[in-house]
Amino acid sequence: ETGVTQTPRHLVMGMTNKKSLKCEQHLGHNAMYWYKQSAKKPLELMFVYNFKEQTENNSVPSRFSPECPNSSHLFLHLHTLQPEDSALYLCASSQAGLPKDNEQFFGPGTRLTVL
Amino acid sequence: GDSVTQMEGPVTLSEEAFLTINCTYTATGYPSLFWYVQYPGEGLQLLLKATKADDKGSNKGFEATYRKETTSFHLEKGSVQVSDSAVYFCALSVGNNAGNMLTFGGGTRLMVKP
Repeated sequence: ETGVTQTPRHLVMGMTNKKSLKCEQHLGHNAMYWYKQSAKKPLELMFVYNFKEQTENNSVPSRFSPECPNSSHLFLHLHTLQPEDSALYLCASSQAGLPKDNEQFFGPGTRLTVL
Repeated sequence: GDSVTQMEGPVTLSEEAFLTINCTYTATGYPSLFWYVQYPGEGLQLLLKATKADDKGSNKGFEATYRKETTSFHLEKGSVQVSDSAVYFCALSVGNNAGNMLTFGGGTRLMVKP
């Protein structure tokens, strides 16, 4: 595997289900990110982890719970979601710190549908 | 706060036409600027970047110049192809040790017809 991988690629869940999204980066980076991409809305940063520590929580509802057990893996635990949470969830990684032009590498995303 | 504004799409062009997608930004610091592209069914990929004023980023025939005086980073291509059909995102990063967080524009969908 190379780059940033995400599983599953597609997920359909009911509002009472509990599921998890997984992201793995094979690039040796030390920062990982979760983004939400909804139709007709700008890309929204949800969480940032740097050296496994959460450094940003962009006012995300508690029904989304991130976990970063090591610098290569990032999870997003989902429970009691709402239909408006249906979106493409993108994971990204980068080398944090300077220079500030370090690019973020994105995974292909998980398309989530909440029924 | 930091923000990026880009032209709304969709932009529809014929093959070999000239492309411009406008992007302007506001930032509290001295940002790096990026263009990302998202092809159907995929995540975002870095297309090009520029880190200081008057720098020109270029890749795959696309170009953008960092204009500090107009706070702009417009994307251009002289002759588009059908394979360029995608969504293009302008972004900035001021960077810090907490992570190089990107601020994205809303994205512009480009559709190129044969």
